[in-house]
Amino acid sequence: GESVGLHLPTLSVQEGDNSIINCAYSNSASDYFIWYKQESGKGPQFIIDIRSNMDKRQGQRVTVLLNKTVKHLSLQIAATQPGDSAVYFCAENRSEGSQGNLIFGKGTKLSVKP
Amino acid sequence: DAGVTQSPTHLIKTRGQHVTLRCSPISGHKSVSWYQQVLGQGPQFIFQYYEKEERGRGNFPDRFSARQFPNYSSELNVNALLLGDSALYLCASSPGGVRGETQYFGPGTRLLVL
Repeated sequence: GESVGLHLPTLSVQEGDNSIINCAYSNSASDYFIWYKQESGKGPQFIIDIRSNMDKRQGQRVTVLLNKTVKHLSLQIAATQPGDSAVYFCAENRSEGSQGNLIFGKGTKLSVKP
Repeated sequence: DAGVTQSPTHLIKTRGQHVTLRCSPISGHKSVSWYQQVLGQGPQFIFQYYEKEERGRGNFPDRFSARQFPNYSSELNVNALLLGDSALYLCASSPGGVRGETQYFGPGTRLLVL
């Protein structure tokens, strides 16, 4: 079964460096992927999404890469800032089932050192 | 523009009681989804509603129920509360309730069951 996950994977970076957060998804039928940022005491905030017919998408300071062969997703944050400190979740939307059925990963805690 | 709003922000209940949580979606959004987030884990899907109809249900017991009103706001009800129901309950809205739409989350209601 799943582990409880009380200890999130943590990534610690220096302010100004680039960050890369990785995520492995489980279902090859998933066709839509989203990255969310969650600050302490707040709800998840949409960052960027990508569909399975793409392998890269760029936003403002963020890039998402999708490798369907190995079912891997990554979020790259350029010039990381203290305000980027948060827990980052990837979520997948499977091609079967309802639209609301987002499956979230366990999350990665990003800490930015000034 | 107002985002997704939820009430109350915090709630303390005792085992066996019931609770009602409320959500107002972003103006113009017709779909509402509910998620449970236990400390240290990613959100887990509970329900999705679109145009007052249940569109999807996650792996939660029948103690959990929900409904959507004509103005697209929604309530999540939990009966016979257990200690394990302590969590952050998140509501997310999207415009048309179709796959591949971005879901926007509210700040959540933090429920503590004693």
